Amino acid sequence: DAMVIQNPRYQVTQFGKPVTLSCSQTLNHNVMYWYQQKSSQAPKLLFHYYDKDFNNEADTPDNFQSRRPNTSFCFLDIRSPGLGDAAMYLCATSPGQPYQPQHFGDGTRLSIL
Amino acid sequence: SQQGEEDPQALSIQEGENATMNCSYKTSINNLQWYRQNSGRGLVHLILIRSNEREKHSGRLRVTLDTSKKSSSLLITASRAADTASYFCATPRNTDKLIFGTGTRLQVFP
Repeated sequence: DAMVIQNPRYQVTQFGKPVTLSCSQTLNHNVMYWYQQKSSQAPKLLFHYYDKDFNNEADTPDNFQSRRPNTSFCFLDIRSPGLGDAAMYLCATSPGQPYQPQHFGDGTRLSIL
Repeated sequence: SQQGEEDPQALSIQEGENATMNCSYKTSINNLQWYRQNSGRGLVHLILIRSNEREKHSGRLRVTLDTSKKSSSLLITASRAADTASYFCATPRNTDKLIFGTGTRLQVFP
């Protein structure tokens, strides 16, 4: 089945130690998104790629960066994680056309020690 | 913030009862979407309703949209324990972005 896969499901890192989360898709969608979701809150969009075009949200901290080396893969890099970065990180894809839903992976739960 | 508001924030019902959750949004839209999120999982798309539609059904789900009031409702009929999840409405900000509402946490007791 076509899907969005996030690895790992759980990630533990130390305060200030860089961490990379990965996402892959078999849907061949143009758009890939990264969301941060804290407990009992709505997902918050960090940035997205339309093909190779990177779109950063205005309030996304500089600590968060992303790479999309090809259509299938997208990475979220957190350069110096702080305690406030502990959250669920969700990857999603969409065809990038009107009236099309987004397809989500199961997320990576990031903990900071 | 352009984020939509949902109410109630939390809802507890018995199996077999109906569950209704409401969503209000702030800007003009061409469609509104509902998603479900099981605990510790990603979001799953449930239903999309276009701005020229007033009501849409999918299985036990019924969605209404009132663009004059900028509001939508999701009705789950004959709830099951497996319906326990958080439910989010989402509205497009442009072609390729969504703004999610604050969510309703639904608990269905057997």
